[in-house]
Amino acid sequence: AQSVAQPEDQVNVAEGNPLTVKCTYSVSGNPYLFWYVQYPNRGLQFLLKYITGDNLVKGSYGFEAEFNKSQTSFHLKKPSALVSDSALYFCAVRDLNTGGFKTIFGAGTRLFVKA
Amino acid sequence: EAGVVQSPRYKIIEKKQPVAFWCNPISGHNTLYWYLQNLGQGPELLIRYENEEAVDDSQLPKDRFSAERLKGVDSTLKIQPAELGDSAVYLCASSLDQSTEAFFGQGTRLTVV
Repeated sequence: AQSVAQPEDQVNVAEGNPLTVKCTYSVSGNPYLFWYVQYPNRGLQFLLKYITGDNLVKGSYGFEAEFNKSQTSFHLKKPSALVSDSALYFCAVRDLNTGGFKTIFGAGTRLFVKA
Repeated sequence: EAGVVQSPRYKIIEKKQPVAFWCNPISGHNTLYWYLQNLGQGPELLIRYENEEAVDDSQLPKDRFSAERLKGVDSTLKIQPAELGDSAVYLCASSLDQSTEAFFGQGTRLTVV
């Protein structure tokens, strides 16, 4: 069965510093990985995805994520955090080798960027 | 281009009453999803449609929940009767097809009292 874990409930970072939000996954086949962001009282917004190809994926708002197959990780990164990046971040995985195309979401990590 | 539209945004009902949520997906998106999001948790899939066909409803509590997507466009999710534990945010999402990323609506926050 597929699963995704976000080991940190909360990440605190100072504005201007680099940020990392961690995600690990488990699938039986090849993973299809996503990051979404959720602002208060808003729906989830798509940030980026990995299907195949370059392990470093660039997405919206200056975010990027690195796929690491050996560590089964897909950590979200940004070189310089902004206060406006403060939000709830969700990692999600889909197993491309199963027929259901079911996407499993992590529990979320709350990012606080302090000015 | 308009995103996924959901209504109502908020709903408060008494337990045992029925409630319905409506979703209008992005134009041209064949796949439609209904998710349940409890406070502090990630979304959990309730049902997925490919056009008008429900292809994954394994997580839908069928004794009280029902959904439909007539003509493969708009969709409604109904709960009858509602229970206190149904209080949550109900998210609708759509994607071009089952292999692409989903775009989410703002959700309907349901409070059952």
